[in-house]
Amino acid sequence: DTAVSQTPKYLVTQMGNDKSIKCEQNLGHDTMYWYKQDSKKFLKIMFSYNNKELIINETVPNRFSPKSPDKAHLNLHINSLELGDSAVYFCASSQGSGGRPLEQYFGPGTRLTVT
Amino acid sequence: AQSVTQPDIHITVSEGASLELRCNYSYGATPYLFWYVQSPGQGLQLLLKYFSGDTLVQGIKGFEAEFKRSQSSFNLRKPSVHWSDAAEYFCAVGAFNQGGKLIFGQGTELSVKP
Repeated sequence: DTAVSQTPKYLVTQMGNDKSIKCEQNLGHDTMYWYKQDSKKFLKIMFSYNNKELIINETVPNRFSPKSPDKAHLNLHINSLELGDSAVYFCASSQGSGGRPLEQYFGPGTRLTVT
Repeated sequence: AQSVTQPDIHITVSEGASLELRCNYSYGATPYLFWYVQSPGQGLQLLLKYFSGDTLVQGIKGFEAEFKRSQSSFNLRKPSVHWSDAAEYFCAVGAFNQGGKLIFGQGTELSVKP
């Protein structure tokens, strides 16, 4: 069974469109994250949720809106897509730890291409 | 704020040779350190982690890393590299009470020569 899954794996869309990426984890973790990996493979955190509550919100355009319907799911909605949004987006999860940054488990990634 | 530097963007080693990938971090308090591996088209897989205690930590796939506080380093090593080790390797640092946030280095791409 896949621990952290994302859909879709590939997403090709035009500038100006709105799209969503879904993430699910079956590890029983209570913290989930979205990361963006650019073309140079640099990985940067965007958001994290703990038990459906937004914990981390990095400097990300407000066109990006995460939503966590329950602690096993974290979706990412992107409005008005721009060329610069093209990247690989990774979902990850970890157990809550009372402050310590525990190991994170990553999904396979969603490659978003904006044309 | 914490940061991570991986000085080597690309390393090539021969199969069977030893490997050391460098990682330097910047953080004032006790760091929480991780090494991840990313195969082409895949997500990141945790190789090992250091939180406290013994400064030499063992991971999966025969990897180990040594935490050296005096050098602010957490270098990854493997005594004998296999062709399947070719991948991108990321060092990451986390800090207490920052919501689990990890800061990643820019990655080191490992190529293995037959």
